[in-house]
Amino acid sequence: SQKIEQNSEALNIQEGKTATLTCNYTNYSPAYLQWYRQDPGRGPVFLLLIRENEKEKRKERLKVTFDTTLKQSLFHITASQPADSATYLCALYTGGFKTIFGAGTRLFVKA
Amino acid sequence: NAGVTQTPKFRVLKTGQSMTLLCAQDMNHEYMYWYRQDPGMGLRLIHYSVGEGTTAKGEVPDGYNVSRLKKQNFLLGLESAAPSQTSVYFCASNFGRLSTGELFFGEGSRLTVL
Repeated sequence: SQKIEQNSEALNIQEGKTATLTCNYTNYSPAYLQWYRQDPGRGPVFLLLIRENEKEKRKERLKVTFDTTLKQSLFHITASQPADSATYLCALYTGGFKTIFGAGTRLFVKA
Repeated sequence: NAGVTQTPKFRVLKTGQSMTLLCAQDMNHEYMYWYRQDPGMGLRLIHYSVGEGTTAKGEVPDGYNVSRLKKQNFLLGLESAAPSQTSVYFCASNFGRLSTGELFFGEGSRLTVL
């Protein structure tokens, strides 16, 4: 079965630094890898996705990479701000109705 | 721009009681989903619907029922609540197989079963 793993430990970084979150997956069928942001007590919000045949995708201060050999995606937030503090979810969309979510990594950005 | 709206936001039940969670979306999405989120675990799919009048089981369907009588609404029912159903429930929707799978979520319904 398909499985996604994200670092369960919280990531603490200083404002202005780059935050890097990791998503590893197994038994993956090609489609899309997505990243969502979830604030406490709120629903997840879609941020961006990367296709299997893409190596890198950028959106403002966000960058996602996709290495299908390592079966890994990295999610970067450059020039991080305290407002970036949240839980970030990685998800695999394999088509149709099926999206598999990781448990998420909490990010704390200190001023 | 309401998006996906869930009611109620909070509910406390006693074991054996029943209840219905309501979800409404105003984006004309074909697909709708119910997920549960528990600490340390990823969102898990309970049931989903690919169109009005259709429903299907997801990963963890036991103890739940759903209905989709109208395209914009998706109801999740618990006939006899159990403490193991204490969780945060999220409704989501999207355009389904013709899309890149981006999901639009509601704000969640926190359910506690005593």
